[in-house]
Order: sequence, then C-alpha cells, then structure tokens
Amino acid sequence: KAGVTQTPRYLIKTRGQQVTLSCSPISGHRSVSWYQQTPGQGLQFLFEYFSETQRNKGNFPGRFSGRQFSNSRSEMNVSTLELGDSALYLCASSLGQDSYNSPLHFGNGTRLTVT
Amino acid sequence: AQSVTQPDIHITVSEGASLELRCNYSYGATPYLFWYVQSPGQGLQLLLKYFSGDTLVQGIKGFEAEFKRSQSSFNLRKPSVHWSDAAEYFCAVDTGTASKLTFGTGTRLQVTL
Repeated sequence: KAGVTQTPRYLIKTRGQQVTLSCSPISGHRSVSWYQQTPGQGLQFLFEYFSETQRNKGNFPGRFSGRQFSNSRSEMNVSTLELGDSALYLCASSLGQDSYNSPLHFGNGTRLTVT
Repeated sequence: AQSVTQPDIHITVSEGASLELRCNYSYGATPYLFWYVQSPGQGLQLLLKYFSGDTLVQGIKGFEAEFKRSQSSFNLRKPSVHWSDAAEYFCAVDTGTASKLTFGTGTRLQVTL
C-alpha cells in the first residue's frame, strides 16, 4: 500500500508570491490534515479536511487555505508569502475517526523556503 | 487547552544502553497520547498510542511507554538502544477532536557507538 505522497519535496519562493502544495493520502483514507513544522514553533496544526469539508482549523491567518477533492487528495495554498512561512509542511492522512482508532500517517513533507 | 511538555531537548546515549524520554501533558481528562519518531528528511512515524486500559503499552521497534495519571506523564522507554534509533521523538496529545494533535517540542536522540 502506497504511503502519503507530498509534492513537491522542495520549493523556493519569493516573499509576496503564493504557493500550492499537494498531498495524496493513503488509499481509502478520507481525512487529510496539514501541519507546519518550524524550529521555533515546532509542529503546529493547520487544518483538517474530511470528505471535502474542512472539519478543523488551527490558529493560522487566512493566507493559509486548503481544499480536498472528491478522491481525497488535498492541496494547501499560502498566499502573500512571508519569510516566516519558511517551514516543513507535513500532510497526514487517516480514516477520519478519532485519532486513536484511526491514527495519522504522515508524508515526508514539502520543504518551503521563502526568500 | 491541552499542552505537551518534553523537558529534554537533546539526549545522548550509548548504543546498548537503556533510554527514557520524558513527556508530560496537561488536560482535564485522559487524552489520547502518542509517540512519534522523525528521522532526518522524513515524516513522522507512529511508535505507539494510549487511551485506556493497561498503562504500559508496547509499540514498534522495541519501544514501550507508561502512562502515569498521577504524574500526567507518558514516558517512552527502550531497554537497549540501537544506532538506528537516532532521530527526533515527539510526544503528542489529542482530546479526540478529529486528527488535531498537539505536539511537544521534541527530543533529539543521539546514539554514540
């Protein structure tokens, strides 16, 4: 069974630009969550989608948005990039029940660098 | 709101030695508790999880963790560390709100030969 696939692995963008990250979940998983990982703030929850609906959202500005398609694939968009958005963005998929009975499976992440 | 504290930022152990990584959580009830491991350039891999029942849980790669309600702790242990265990370890808590984990700041494990 293929794992969670995130593309691209690396991105370099300029301040003010926008970026779209992609995540393909494990087959059969209907929930996709996104996390931001930085040395200063650690791992922070961005949002979670289940069956194309945003079910949970973290404390990030509106510049961070996402969506989920009918095949459960998800995209995350960051507009008007700031230097502080440089991070490893991790996607995780699950069956969508509580996290104990359907734990998260993480991809290898997309490393975004904003210059 | 729930929170997780991992007091040790960096730990170095010799190969073959025992390991204990500390984790304390803050939450009114018993949350879902997890330990994840992250190798360089990789995502997070689930080592083990706990919600209820036996307070000593076994995970993959020979790891175990013990839940102690009185201390609000969920420490990770391994009797004999292998060089391949060098990685960063994250404790996480979830109050059941669908996939929204709160992570600790992580403990980086270095293994000397």
